[in-house]
Amino acid sequence: SQTIHQWPATLVQPVGSPLSLECTVEGTSNPNLYWYRQAAGRGLQLLFYSVGIGQISSEVPQNLSASRPQDRQFILSSKKLLLSDSGFYLCAWRLGGLRAPEAFFGQGTRLTVV
Amino acid sequence: KQEVTQIPAALSVPEGENLVLNCSFTDSAIYNLQWFRQDPGKGLTSLLLIQSSQREQTSGRLNASLDKSSGRSTLYIAASQPGDSATYLCAVTLAWGGATNKLIFGTGTLLAVQP
Repeated sequence: SQTIHQWPATLVQPVGSPLSLECTVEGTSNPNLYWYRQAAGRGLQLLFYSVGIGQISSEVPQNLSASRPQDRQFILSSKKLLLSDSGFYLCAWRLGGLRAPEAFFGQGTRLTVV
Repeated sequence: KQEVTQIPAALSVPEGENLVLNCSFTDSAIYNLQWFRQDPGKGLTSLLLIQSSQREQTSGRLNASLDKSSGRSTLYIAASQPGDSATYLCAVTLAWGGATNKLIFGTGTLLAVQP
């Protein structure tokens, strides 16, 4: 069966520090991968998605970047965090293709920038 | 631009009641609609996926319906229990999104089932 892992679960970082959040998927190959952010009292906003190794698309301009160094690994990064980067970050995967199978999410990372 | 709306934003019911959560979307060109549950501070758990060609899906006490032409879906929860308390989110996948299969989310319904 497929599983998705996200870490760390919580993170408190000072403004201006770097960030690296990691997401890995097991039990499947060539998944579509996604990073979402959920700000307090707001819906889920799609930040990045990837349909293959090294292929990253950004949905909104921001202080963050994403990379996919391996087929089942998706990394969210920042060189210098801002207060506005605080939020709940969720990684998701689903198989690609035109019929859009079920999507699955990780347990999330709570990021607080202080 | 696809917009997804969920009504009500919050709902409180006594244990044992049957209830309906609503989701509406503006662009009917979707592949499917998926319902999720989110417990406080946790990730999303998939509940039901309805393909655009289907009208409903059932899983235990949950039944989701889809009327693509009118841009509406409902999630019916039978005999609610305190353990059903959570935020419920619906999300659509656009048919014109190509292979990216991005999910567009509603803002959720916060459900509290009182014992």
